[in-house]
Amino acid sequence: DAKTTQPPSMDCAEGRAANLPCNHSTISGNEYVYWYRQIHSQGPQYIIHGLKNNETNEMASLIITEDRKSSTLILPHATLRDTAVYYCIAPNYGGSQGNLIFGKGTKLSVKP
Amino acid sequence: NAGVTQTPKFQVLKTGQSMTLQCAQDMNHEYMSWYRQDPGMGLRLIHYSVGAGITDQGEVPNGYNVSRSTTEDFPLRLLSAAPSQTSVYFCASSTRPNSIKNTEAFFGQGTRLTVV
Repeated sequence: DAKTTQPPSMDCAEGRAANLPCNHSTISGNEYVYWYRQIHSQGPQYIIHGLKNNETNEMASLIITEDRKSSTLILPHATLRDTAVYYCIAPNYGGSQGNLIFGKGTKLSVKP
Repeated sequence: NAGVTQTPKFQVLKTGQSMTLQCAQDMNHEYMSWYRQDPGMGLRLIHYSVGAGITDQGEVPNGYNVSRSTTEDFPLRLLSAAPSQTSVYFCASSTRPNSIKNTEAFFGQGTRLTVV
């Protein structure tokens, strides 16, 4: 897997946009960037993924830089229920079979 | 659809006991995997399977066995439980990971295991 680097924690005010950064400077051409989150020790939940272009779904937006060395997950209007650990992952489809290798992620705290 | 179902939700074992954690999915997914999560840590891959009859080791396979006799089921066996195996165990399933299409993984709700 491409190594990803995320800040250990972030705070966000309720109703504001939460912007979670991820560095993946060693990513290769066929490695997608995936985002998952884990709410209070539940099983991780898929959020969004992308390769080159920016992506948006009902949960979030994903902005990937043109050189693909970093990305930002955007929760446009954070709520208290978005408090969770967010994981940025770039599976390698060669040696690791595309396994999801989790780092420590970013603990996002949404505050009233 | 039930998704990914793990049983039991909680378990306490004595050191040296063996047990099997069950995982079943009803989405006809080829790929299944087991992770463990220790307090304050990310998930670590134990074993995975890309289809019935095929399994392979992940990052931390020692002390665990798996088998995949059907597409739906992927049990994890603890051979001789040790206190170091106290953890939360998550099972996941997805279509087979590849670089062409999205392979969203679905996770179970976890089994909380304590070994005393």
